[in-house]
Amino acid sequence: SQTIHQWPATLVQPVGSPLSLECTVEGTSNPNLYWYRQAAGRGLQLLFYSVGIGQISSEVPQNLSASRPQDRQFILSSKKLLLSDSGFYLCAWSRQRDQPQHFGDGTRLSIL
Amino acid sequence: DAKTTQPNSMESNEEEPVHLPCNHSTISGTDYIHWYRQLPSQGPEYVIHGLTSNVNNRMASLAIAEDRKSSTLILHRATLRDAAVYYCILARAGVKNTDKLIFGTGTRLQVFP
Repeated sequence: SQTIHQWPATLVQPVGSPLSLECTVEGTSNPNLYWYRQAAGRGLQLLFYSVGIGQISSEVPQNLSASRPQDRQFILSSKKLLLSDSGFYLCAWSRQRDQPQHFGDGTRLSIL
Repeated sequence: DAKTTQPNSMESNEEEPVHLPCNHSTISGTDYIHWYRQLPSQGPEYVIHGLTSNVNNRMASLAIAEDRKSSTLILHRATLRDAAVYYCILARAGVKNTDKLIFGTGTRLQVFP
């Protein structure tokens, strides 16, 4: 069966510090990968998605970037965090269009 | 922009059916309608999805209006474990073979024993 892992589960960072969140998928190959952010009390907002190694599509211009160095690895990064980057970050994978997306347990990021 | 409108909250008693409505008047012809649910501090869980026809699975049923501008998620017998925030989502085609899920604010379902 397929599993998706995100870490860390919780992160507290100062403003201006860098960020690296990692997501890996097991049990499938060539998945579509997605990064979402959820602000408190809101629905999820799609940030980036990827159809393959090195292929990144950005949905929202902002302080973040994404990379896919390996087939089942998706990384969300920032060089300098802003207070507005706080939130619940979720990674998801899917096989193809018209298939469910499967979400990880998320990383709760607090910026001080 | 693709957008869904749902009631902020709904209540149900255990073992009763629940009908969760959703309006999506700006839906495009190729947008799929997805439903996910989310518990606090967890990632969303897939419930059901469809394009034009009504759909049934072990978790729920999805009724889609003929003009596709609204849909209803039906939980046939609510249990306490069904208490969650339910999101009605339009899945719009992204690059190649991907879906971009466009979340609304969801409906918080409370289930009473």
